[in-house]
This record gives sequence, structure tokens and C-alpha cells, in this order.
Amino acid sequence: RKEVEQDPGPFNVPEGATVAFNCTYSNSASQSFFWYRQDCRKEPKLLMSVYSSGNEDGRFTAQLNRASQYISLLIRDSKLSDSATYLCVVNPIGGSQGNLIFGKGTKLSVKP
Amino acid sequence: EAGVTQSPTHLIKTRGQQVTLRCSPISGHTSVYWYQQALGLGLQFLLWYDEGEERNRGNFPPRFSGRQFPNYSSELNVNALELEDSALYLCASTTDSRIFGSGTQLSVL
Repeated sequence: RKEVEQDPGPFNVPEGATVAFNCTYSNSASQSFFWYRQDCRKEPKLLMSVYSSGNEDGRFTAQLNRASQYISLLIRDSKLSDSATYLCVVNPIGGSQGNLIFGKGTKLSVKP
Repeated sequence: EAGVTQSPTHLIKTRGQQVTLRCSPISGHTSVYWYQQALGLGLQFLLWYDEGEERNRGNFPPRFSGRQFPNYSSELNVNALELEDSALYLCASTTDSRIFGSGTQLSVL
């Protein structure tokens, strides 16, 4: 099983659609979790951290299921500007010592 | 506040050459992380420097090396370049998550 696994997509959705991305991780002791957004040939940018209780930031909702070792990202009311690759990221031991494990990303394309 | 800065933005080299990439972390941050992102692949951890010392290393050959200076800036050196070294090289700082610089796109011909 890969350390962090994501559906590569692409997800092609119309503007205004709701889209969900899933991610699974193999290390049950992993401490912290993130979603990053990466535009083509640009650096990844932190979208949001993922907390056990679930968290929301505007149109974006992230959820963590430790029992199933599963992370999700929900995007509501998709905008054209949401088109990007979304990276699921796991910090196996937390803090600065952790080598963050990056998924390969899920590509989202929002169409007019 | 300046973010993570990297130079150069682009490089073209030929096989067998050597290259040096540079990074300055966010002001006040002592750690620098280096990652490689080859086309179509995920980010691969290369090196972690903190307080001038190499703290951890990813699964890369010894021709990938680096150092961190007293001002916490860092260099990544790649010797004997191979075609498969063509990639976006990213530097990052911060602790639990990472904040990335804009990267150096290296093309090896």
C-alpha cells in the first residue's frame, strides 16, 4: 500500500458543482494532515490543515477519519479559479522532524 | 515579511554537469527542506537542514548534497547530472506544514 494515495483524476466539473476528493494513508500513527493546492509548474500552497473534528474554510471542508485512515476535501460551488491539482499531505510524526509525505495529487478542472 | 526565496528560477544543463540551487527560508526560520518534483510524480523529500546541520535525507544518491549557512540560507548541489534529474526543485521552511518557495525548474539535456 502506498504511503499516501489519491485518485489522480482528472475531475472535470461544471462551475457551481460540488466535488469531493479522497485520500488514504498507510501509517496509522500519522500525526498531522494537510491539503495543498498546486497550479501548473508552480509551488504547492497550503490550502488547509485537516483536524480530527473536521474543519471548514469558506467553500472548502476537510475531514479526517483516523479509524479508516482516510482524509477528504469537499469543494462547494466550484469556481473556474479552483482548477488546480490538490495534494493530500501527511506528516507521519508531527512537528518539524516529520518528512511530509505528499500524495501525487488529484487534478481538478472546472469548466464554464 | 519575505517568504521563501529560491534562485535561479530556471536552469538548463547538460548531462554530467554540476548545478547549485539556492534557498533562503522565511526570516527567523532555522529549517530548510528540499524537495524534488519530477514531471508527473509527487514531491519527493531530498534533504532537511536545521541550525546548519543535515538532519535527514531522502532516498537519493550521494551526488545530491547541500549545506546550510550561518544565516540559514541553503544550497543544493547536484553533481554528474542525469536526464532524470530534470525536475522542479522546491525549498520550504516552517515546521508542521511547509511553505514553499517558487522553485527552480532544472532541465537536463
